[in-house]
Amino acid sequence: DTGVSQDPRHKITKRGQNVTFRCDPISEHNRLYWYRQTLGQGPEFLTYFQNEAQLEKSRLLSDRFSAERPKGSFSTLEIQRTEQGDSAMYLCASSRFEKLFFGSGTQLSVL
Amino acid sequence: ELKVEQNPLFLSMQEGKNYTIYCNYSTTSDRLYWYRQDPGKSLESLFVLLSNGAVKQEGRLMASLDTKARLSTLHITAAVHDLSATYFCAVDEREKSSGDKLTFGTGTRLAVRP
Repeated sequence: DTGVSQDPRHKITKRGQNVTFRCDPISEHNRLYWYRQTLGQGPEFLTYFQNEAQLEKSRLLSDRFSAERPKGSFSTLEIQRTEQGDSAMYLCASSRFEKLFFGSGTQLSVL
Repeated sequence: ELKVEQNPLFLSMQEGKNYTIYCNYSTTSDRLYWYRQDPGKSLESLFVLLSNGAVKQEGRLMASLDTKARLSTLHITAAVHDLSATYFCAVDEREKSSGDKLTFGTGTRLAVRP
C-alpha cells in the first residue's frame, strides 16, 4: 500500500496562468475525490469520480476548474486563469468502501 | 445546506486530563467521520461511525454518534503530548452513500501541554 500520491507538493504561479495537479490513488480504489482546504478551515468538497465517471461536479468553484480521470486510475485537476483566491491546499482522496485515504496535498500559491 | 459545527475551536489541555470535543450537524445523516491533521500534513482517518449509537475506541480516543441528536463526540482520555493536532469531524451529506461528499467542520485545534 503506497498510499495516495499527489504531485507536485508545492506550486507557485502567477495570476492568470494555468496549473494542473496530479493524483494517483491507491491502486484498488475505484473512488477518487478532490477537496480544497484553506488556512484554518476544514476541507471543502470539489468533485468525485467512480472509476472514470465524474459523478459529482457541482461543487467545482467555477468553470475555471476542471477534473479528469481518463482511465479510471490517476486524476488531474486543472485551474485555468488562476486568481489569488485560488491559493489553497488541494487534497486528493481515494476509497473503496467508506473510509477515505487522503494524499499529502498540493499547496498552491498564486502571486 | 448541511452545516457542521465543532466546539471548542481551540483546546489547551494539560497532560493526563480528560476532555470531549463536540460535533453538531444540521441534517439527517448516519455516517460521520473523524480525522486528525498535523500541521502541514494531510488528514489521517481516525474513526468511521456508521449508525446511531456507534462507539469506537482507539487508544486514548473514543468516538460516539447519536444520529437523533445529530451529535458526535470525540473523548480524549489522559491526554499526552502526541495527541496535539487538529481534529475534524465530517458528515456524509447523503444517506446511504459511501463517503461521496463529506462536509467538514472547521476543526478543533488541540494543544496538550506538560
